[in-house]
Amino acid sequence: EDQVTQSPEALRLQEGESSSLNCSYTVSGLRGLFWYRQDPGKGPEFLFTLYSAGEEKEKERLKATLTKKESFLHITAPKPEDSATYLCAVQAGDDKIIFGKGTRLHILP
Amino acid sequence: NAGVTQTPKFQVLKTGQSMTLQCAQDMNHNSMYWYRQDPGMGLRLIYYSASEGTTDKGEVPNGYNVSRLNKREFSLRLESAAPSQTSVYFCASRMGAGVGEQYFGPGTRLTVT
Repeated sequence: EDQVTQSPEALRLQEGESSSLNCSYTVSGLRGLFWYRQDPGKGPEFLFTLYSAGEEKEKERLKATLTKKESFLHITAPKPEDSATYLCAVQAGDDKIIFGKGTRLHILP
Repeated sequence: NAGVTQTPKFQVLKTGQSMTLQCAQDMNHNSMYWYRQDPGMGLRLIYYSASEGTTDKGEVPNGYNVSRLNKREFSLRLESAAPSQTSVYFCASRMGAGVGEQYFGPGTRLTVT
């Protein structure tokens, strides 16, 4: 069964304390992996697409990486405005899109 | 360029009432989706439309119907609302061909009493 699991469910960090969020997946024929950011009361906002193992993408304090079984979203020196829920999704070989349940990130000033 | 728009933003229904949630996109995307998001459950796909003129069931279609009115618009109808349908509903679109990210609307918060 195709599945996407994100960990941890929630993470509290001090401002400037770097960390990583994990997205592990089991799908038939990965076509792409997506990261989204969701602020309270809003729709998910697209961040990155990763296509194949070894690929990396960066945007400001965020860097996403991909292996054959998981993806990491690294957050370097986070600020309070980085607080949000981060969602991971995969596009499988049959073009089905499967979302994880997300990681709630809270950055304390 | 408004992206994906949804109406209404909030709605309260009584059990048994019906309503239609509207979604429109101005990005010339082929594929459109309806999701519901509940605490602890993540995003669950209700229905999707891979292209104009086609619709397919997702993970949780019971109690819902959809209409792909044209390339821009995709509506979700609740014929007889139930308290279990209390949720936040998101519409999304993507180009459709190949690998591609989705773009989401702002959501509709629905409460069924």
